Amino acid sequence: DGGITQSPKYLFRKEGQNVTLSCEQNLNHDAMYWYRQDPGQGLRLIYYSQIVNDFQKGDIAEGYSVSREKKESFPLTVTSAQKNPTAFYLCASSARAGLITGGYTFGSGTRLTVV
Amino acid sequence: AQRVTQPEKLLSVFKGAPVELKCNYSYSGSPELFWYVQYSRQRLQLLLRHISRESIKGFTADLNKGETSFHLKKPFAQEEDSAMYYCALRASNTGKLIFGQGTTLQVKP
Repeated sequence: DGGITQSPKYLFRKEGQNVTLSCEQNLNHDAMYWYRQDPGQGLRLIYYSQIVNDFQKGDIAEGYSVSREKKESFPLTVTSAQKNPTAFYLCASSARAGLITGGYTFGSGTRLTVV
Repeated sequence: AQRVTQPEKLLSVFKGAPVELKCNYSYSGSPELFWYVQYSRQRLQLLLRHISRESIKGFTADLNKGETSFHLKKPFAQEEDSAMYYCALRASNTGKLIFGQGTTLQVKP
């Protein structure tokens, strides 16, 4: 059963702590993306990766970090430097970037709450 | 600048009424446009893309380059169409999707 798996579904973090959100895909997609979804603001791109061992900042990368050591995995770390981390985080993947093929496949999301 | 604008946060219609969800974009190159839908408690999923010229669940969308618009239309709304709809622009050089703010469609019985 191909798809994207995000874990955990819910995550609580104390202020000052770093947390890592997991995203794994078995679709053999080259590109992976992290978005943040806030009410009234739509989806905003945090980081994206078009190929293993390479990634670029999106529109709101400050306070976040990523790695892409394996094609299947694109974890997102929310650091203590992120001023307003409480949000819903979505991971997505797509076939090789630049090809006009289908759209993205999205995960089910992780809701992060800072307590 | 690359931008997608959905001017309506909420669109409320009665069942059987026509629906038009507005989307305008700003992009200097050749755009690739999509509509995504998120039903309650479900994942965000692709509804349709302009290059396919397809009709999915009765919805259609036509790319109007002159007006830089990609409005989503359906002649007769159904209650199961109630969801959040996002218009998205794919930058051809990077492949990344730029989303609009989203419009909640509420279809009343």
